[in-house]
Amino acid sequence: GESVGLHLPTLSVQEGDNSIINCAYSNSASDYFIWYKQESGKGPQFIIDIRSNMDKRQGQRVTVLLNKTVKHLSLQIAATQPGDSAVYFCAENNHFNKFYFGSGTKLNVKP
Amino acid sequence: EAGVAQSPRYKIIEKRQSVAFWCNPISGHATLYWYQQILGQGPKLLIQFQNNGVVDDSQLPKDRFSAERLKGVDSTLKIQPAKLEDSAVYLCASSRTGANVLTFGAGSRLTVL
Repeated sequence: GESVGLHLPTLSVQEGDNSIINCAYSNSASDYFIWYKQESGKGPQFIIDIRSNMDKRQGQRVTVLLNKTVKHLSLQIAATQPGDSAVYFCAENNHFNKFYFGSGTKLNVKP
Repeated sequence: EAGVAQSPRYKIIEKRQSVAFWCNPISGHATLYWYQQILGQGPKLLIQFQNNGVVDDSQLPKDRFSAERLKGVDSTLKIQPAKLEDSAVYLCASSRTGANVLTFGAGSRLTVL
């Protein structure tokens, strides 16, 4: 399978601060990169994706950055809230519609 | 639209017993996936269906795991006989053909004693 890894297993931030979650990938042929959020006892939930020909995409309070030169992906969450506490996974999707997930980063938001 | 339905939510069995998990994807989603998620790890693809055909089962331990999607809608994942290392959450996901977004069910948590 593909190799998608994360730099930090746990990230603690203060409520209201910005969070940055990083991810490294190995397959330069992947078409899309996706971020998922998984809350305890639930399945992963789509947050945002970015196509391989883009370097930045913004959503509501979230921004994904893609650096193909170093095969690095990051998720930025603005004004982090307690409801953002979860495990975040990056995933890559190749043109065969196969999705490979990294090991995840746990985000703890301190009130 | 209704989400991906999975059952049972929890199952506890002893090793060497069998277990089956059921998944009903979102209506109209032709692609269905089964993932295994061991505690503290990311989901690992077990099998991918396109309608009722298998696209990829290269990571499925075929000596003990089997899956089917006979009518191209619901799917069943079976483990027989179970091993201790099969303890995990089994996630079902579906997507429209060619779509970039997977919609996951809540998962079925298996504990093998």
